[in-house]
Amino acid sequence: DAGVIQSPRHEVTEMGQEVTLRCKPISGHNSLFWYRQTMMRGLELLIYFNNNVPIDDSGMPEDRFSAKMPNASFSTLKIQPSEPRDSAVYFCASMSGRPSGANVLTFGAGSRLTVL
Amino acid sequence: DQQVKQNSPSLSVQEGRISILNCDYTNSMFDYFLWYKKYPAEGPTFLISISSIKDKNEDGRFTVFLNKSAKHLSLHIVPSQPGDSAVYFCAASGTNRDDKIIFGKGTRLHILP
Repeated sequence: DAGVIQSPRHEVTEMGQEVTLRCKPISGHNSLFWYRQTMMRGLELLIYFNNNVPIDDSGMPEDRFSAKMPNASFSTLKIQPSEPRDSAVYFCASMSGRPSGANVLTFGAGSRLTVL
Repeated sequence: DQQVKQNSPSLSVQEGRISILNCDYTNSMFDYFLWYKKYPAEGPTFLISISSIKDKNEDGRFTVFLNKSAKHLSLHIVPSQPGDSAVYFCAASGTNRDDKIIFGKGTRLHILP
């Protein structure tokens, strides 16, 4: 199992440009999460999906952010237009969703975004 | 409003001694608490968890203690090793699939030789 795959690993772009981050969850995992890590706020939950359906997007900072999960094996997080304050490491995580017990996430390696 | 708080941004501990990382939470409805470990340029990895109905869970050198009345948990690492140097995140959630998983800001642990 290759784990959760994120691309790109690093992205440097200029303010105003569109950024698309991609995630392939672990096969068979039916929950997918997008988190953002910054020094000030730590790991913030942006949005999560169960069975490809968005459950809670209250963590999405503003309308410039959008996320989709068109099928069980792919999700995107898009920022349009990007701003310097969006610079952060964005993590995707997936979970098998046990009926009981701790909800354990498996994280990807992250996408480091720098907006100039 | 932070529901999960890690008030120490960093901690330095001598190799071989005990490392104690602390976490406080505000929501008494959380059912599970988890610790994740993160190395640079990698994603967080799951370390250990504890159910809200227990007060202690042990896995090798790692033990998590839960004090529900104080809404406080701690991770003990004994003995500390150089490979334990990392950022440790505390997280909390319910047991339902639709429950959010909320993380603290993390504590950077330095193990000194």
